[in-house]
Amino acid sequence: EAQVTQNPRYLITVTGKKLTVTCSQNMNHEYMSWYRQDPGLGLRQIYYSMNVEVTDKGDVPEGYKVSRKEKRNFPLILESPSPNQTSLYFCASSPYRINNYGYTFGSGTRLTVV
Amino acid sequence: QQQVKQSPQSLIVQKGGISIINCAYENTAFDYFPWYQQFPGKGPALLIAIRPDVSEKKEGRFTISFNKSAKQFSLHIMDSQPGDSATYFCAATYGGATNKLIFGTGTLLAVQP
Repeated sequence: EAQVTQNPRYLITVTGKKLTVTCSQNMNHEYMSWYRQDPGLGLRQIYYSMNVEVTDKGDVPEGYKVSRKEKRNFPLILESPSPNQTSLYFCASSPYRINNYGYTFGSGTRLTVV
Repeated sequence: QQQVKQSPQSLIVQKGGISIINCAYENTAFDYFPWYQQFPGKGPALLIAIRPDVSEKKEGRFTISFNKSAKQFSLHIMDSQPGDSATYFCAATYGGATNKLIFGTGTLLAVQP
């Protein structure tokens, strides 16, 4: 089944404790992206990657890091999480031309930073 | 210029009624306008999409109406069903190198039996 897999689904952590949210896709998509979803703000892009070893900032990149060492994986790293990073996070992937296919999203990771 | 404004924030419709969600944009370079449907505990899923060279696209009970001159587009759900209860997001992109989707703020639709 074609899918984007995120782990973990739920995570509660403390301020300052480094964490990684993993994302993997099995569709051989070139593009991958991380979004955060907050009430009243919709989905906002954090980082994106056009291909292996090519990443760039989205609209809200502060406090986050990403890497793309393999085509299928695109982990999101929070080096020192803070409470304002409490959110619902989605990984998404798409073929080269999003205009034809749109994004495929993972099921989400609900992160709480206390 | 990068924003997509969506309304209403929430919507209650009776079963069998028509649900209408509206979006507006500023950037005339946008050339792809998808709608995503999100059920609780799930990621958004592509529902239907339109390009600015057509004024309407219909897929089953779901229709996108597009007004290029007004820079507005809307989702119409005909014969709304309780199973349509979800959050709906409009989005826009101009593709290009970033492949970036810009989302509206979402509409929580509740269809009452």
